[in-house]
Amino acid sequence: AQSVAQPEDQVNVAEGNPLTVKCTYSVSGNPYLFWYVQYPNRGLQFLLKYITGDNLVKGSYGFEAEFNKSQTSFHLKKPSALVSDSALYFCAVRDQTGANNLFFGTGTRLTVIP
Amino acid sequence: DSGVTQTPKHLITATGQRVTLRCSPRSGDLSVYWYQQSLDQGLQFLIQYYNGEERAKGNILERFSAQQFPDLHSELNLSSLELGDSALYFCASSLGGASHPETQYFGPGTRLLVL
Repeated sequence: AQSVAQPEDQVNVAEGNPLTVKCTYSVSGNPYLFWYVQYPNRGLQFLLKYITGDNLVKGSYGFEAEFNKSQTSFHLKKPSALVSDSALYFCAVRDQTGANNLFFGTGTRLTVIP
Repeated sequence: DSGVTQTPKHLITATGQRVTLRCSPRSGDLSVYWYQQSLDQGLQFLIQYYNGEERAKGNILERFSAQQFPDLHSELNLSSLELGDSALYFCASSLGGASHPETQYFGPGTRLLVL
């Protein structure tokens, strides 16, 4: 079975500082990993995904994620946080059976402090 | 705006009732997915349809059912509602048959409150 874990319920960072939101995964084969962001009273917005290739994936709004196979991690990063980045972030892994549905982590609430 | 639309935005109903949630996928997308987001269960996959056919099933209760119509819109039917069914229900869509990993685009959700 596949799963992702987000070890931090809450991350606080000062505006302008780099941010990291952590995600670790557990899969039996090749991992297909995604990051989504959810703003209040909104749906989930796609940020980026890792399928294969470069371990550093660049996505929307200046976010990037680093895939690390040895540590089974897929941490989301941004060099300089904005107050508008404050939201709920979800890591997800694609179903290993071949269906395209996603298994989501529990989410990390990011607060960027002005 | 993802291009996925969901109606209604909010729904308040009583225990034991039945409701229908509607989703229109992005133009050109053939797959529709339903997810439930609740405080205790988090974000859970319910069911997927591809071009009118059921493709995958997740943690969907027997009281819940879904279908995808020829025009590709989908409906999620929730019956014999219980207090615990109160949640945010998301629809997502993607291009096709998913032989390779596809990005899913999510609608704004329907917030269901069962009283």
